[in-house]
Amino acid sequence: QQQVKQSPQSLIVQKGGISIINCAYENTAFDYFPWYQQFPGKGPALLIAIRPDVSEKKEGRFTISFNKSAKQFSLHIMDSQPGDSATYFCAAAYSGAGSYQLTFGKGTKLSVIP
Amino acid sequence: DSGVTQTPKHLITATGQRVTLRCSPRSGDLSVYWYQQSLDQGLQFLIHYYNGEERAKGNILERFSAQQFPDLHSELNLSSLELGDSALYFCASSYRMRTDTQYFGPGTRLTVL
Repeated sequence: QQQVKQSPQSLIVQKGGISIINCAYENTAFDYFPWYQQFPGKGPALLIAIRPDVSEKKEGRFTISFNKSAKQFSLHIMDSQPGDSATYFCAAAYSGAGSYQLTFGKGTKLSVIP
Repeated sequence: DSGVTQTPKHLITATGQRVTLRCSPRSGDLSVYWYQQSLDQGLQFLIHYYNGEERAKGNILERFSAQQFPDLHSELNLSSLELGDSALYFCASSYRMRTDTQYFGPGTRLTVL
């Protein structure tokens, strides 16, 4: 059972454009929603994260929008740059289990073309 | 650089063999998580250790085991290896048991021939 569904699988955006990646989750106990960025040959790196008590969080060009009732959250990358070309993973976790194990989406490969 | 180190970087072995992957968390971090990344399954949580104790298990096969030592480094042991075990194995560390931010290492690429 896939608890976090991510779309699209791949995305091509022109330089300066907006990249949008969507995720949906099933487990309403999740209370932490991070986005990770992964470059080829590297481990995932935390990009930005949100908790369900806020609907939006912005850090530089990266914004998470969160819709608790719809059980959806999305990553917006403004003014996308070729250096943003990477694979992006959404994830979810809940703190009540004594562990913060992450449940990941399948990933979105973003290509930003000049 | 996340501060998490993993060795070896690459590992090539044969079916039926046993291997050990090593992870050193960031200085001061007490939690170590292990994840497997494969093309078909994506990134999947395997197991979590906090200050030497097992805290949670995910989709970890019985052929796999892990431990965390007093110096907080962790080892993931994979035995009776099968072709399907070929994957990237990441460890991630965080300071406390329920701290949200996990810092991932560079991974170990395991190839089973």
